Amino acid sequence: AQTVTQSQPEMSVQEAETVTLSCTYDTSESDYYLFWYKQPPSRQMILVIRQEAYKQQNATENRFSVNFQKAAKSFSLKISDSQLGDAAMYFCARGYNYGGATNKLIFGTGTLLAVQP
Amino acid sequence: NAGVTQTPKFRVLKTGQSMTLLCAQDMNHEYMYWYRQDPGMGLRLIHYSVGEGTTAKGEVPDGYNVSRLKKQNFLLGLESAAPSQTSVYFCASSREGLAAGEQYFGPGTRLTVT
Repeated sequence: AQTVTQSQPEMSVQEAETVTLSCTYDTSESDYYLFWYKQPPSRQMILVIRQEAYKQQNATENRFSVNFQKAAKSFSLKISDSQLGDAAMYFCARGYNYGGATNKLIFGTGTLLAVQP
Repeated sequence: NAGVTQTPKFRVLKTGQSMTLLCAQDMNHEYMYWYRQDPGMGLRLIHYSVGEGTTAKGEVPDGYNVSRLKKQNFLLGLESAAPSQTSVYFCASSREGLAAGEQYFGPGTRLTVT
């Protein structure tokens, strides 16, 4: 079964501090894509960061970076200098192939991040 | 450029009623998707489409039908609503498969079936 596991239902971080959200996944493919999406109270799903499995270098987007451990099938998200606007539900997702193209996402159950002022 | 829009934003149905959720995108994307989001379960794929006139089943297709008559629109139908279909429904689109980039999501539709 294709699964994505987020073992932390809730996390809390002080403003300006760093927090790491965990994600592990299951796959038999060698090439795939991993994503972190943010869902604030508005419900809008927003892409935070994207990692291609064949790239060894960890993706970085401003204050957001990932620690991609392909052998361990681990894909954690690090948020540096946390801001109040980072408070949201964060979903890890893996793209997988169907019909010859990577076009479907499997989502984890989410981690609710609270940012304390 | 509105991105992905969904109609309606909220709806309450009685068991057995039918309704159609409309998703529209103005980005000329080939791929479109319907997900449902339930507490503690993340998003699950209901149906998707890889181009105009095509549809395919996702993880949880039972009780739903879809149509993609125009490239920009993807309709999700509930023929006979059940309380188990109470959920938040999200539509998404992408230019090609995920190898080409991300999925863009609509704002969601909250559906309650009583």
